Amino acid sequence: AQTVTQSQPEMSVQEAETVTLSCTYDTSENNYYLFWYKQPPSRQMILVIRQEAYKQQNATENRFSVNFQKAAKSFSLKISDSQLGDTAMYFCAYNTGTASKLTFGTGTRLQVTL
Amino acid sequence: GAVVSQHPSRVICKSGTSVKIECRSLDFQATTMFWYRQFPKKSLMLMATSNEGSKATYEQGVEKDKFLINHASLTLSTLTVTSAHPEDSSFYICSARDTGDQPQHFGDGTRLSIL
Repeated sequence: AQTVTQSQPEMSVQEAETVTLSCTYDTSENNYYLFWYKQPPSRQMILVIRQEAYKQQNATENRFSVNFQKAAKSFSLKISDSQLGDTAMYFCAYNTGTASKLTFGTGTRLQVTL
Repeated sequence: GAVVSQHPSRVICKSGTSVKIECRSLDFQATTMFWYRQFPKKSLMLMATSNEGSKATYEQGVEKDKFLINHASLTLSTLTVTSAHPEDSSFYICSARDTGDQPQHFGDGTRLSIL
């Protein structure tokens, strides 16, 4: 069975600093997708970034980038120049595309402070 | 693009009543929709997957007669919590996606409170 592990329940970072959230996963598939979703206090789930396993290049979306290590089954999220609006729960997630359903990690609560 | 609308955002009702939650894809055709339940400070738990025009696939431990799912069109799926009880109180979120390699887009969720 596929599993997604987020080992950091809570993290804190000062505004304008950089923070990295870790995520590891377990799968026997060769082709799959990895995601980071953000859930602010409003509870809306927002897609932050997406990585296709067959692409070696790490995905980047503005201040958000990932470090995808396929052999190590690691998918960390780096947030640069942290902003107060980045305060949220961050969920790492996985699916195989054809199987479609997402498997979520337990989440990391990120607090951005002044 | 890729907007998913979920309604209502909050509902409070008496024990024993049935509650219907709607999930609509506004600007794309959702071949697959998903229903999740989220407990406070916890991750999302998938309840069921629904494909347009066919019966939903429920996850293990989810009562299909309790949580009725209908996906009658490519833009609408509904979740009906039948004979709701206080233990059904939770945050329910739907998501939708178009083709197999597209990401899921989430609705804003429904906070259900059963008195």
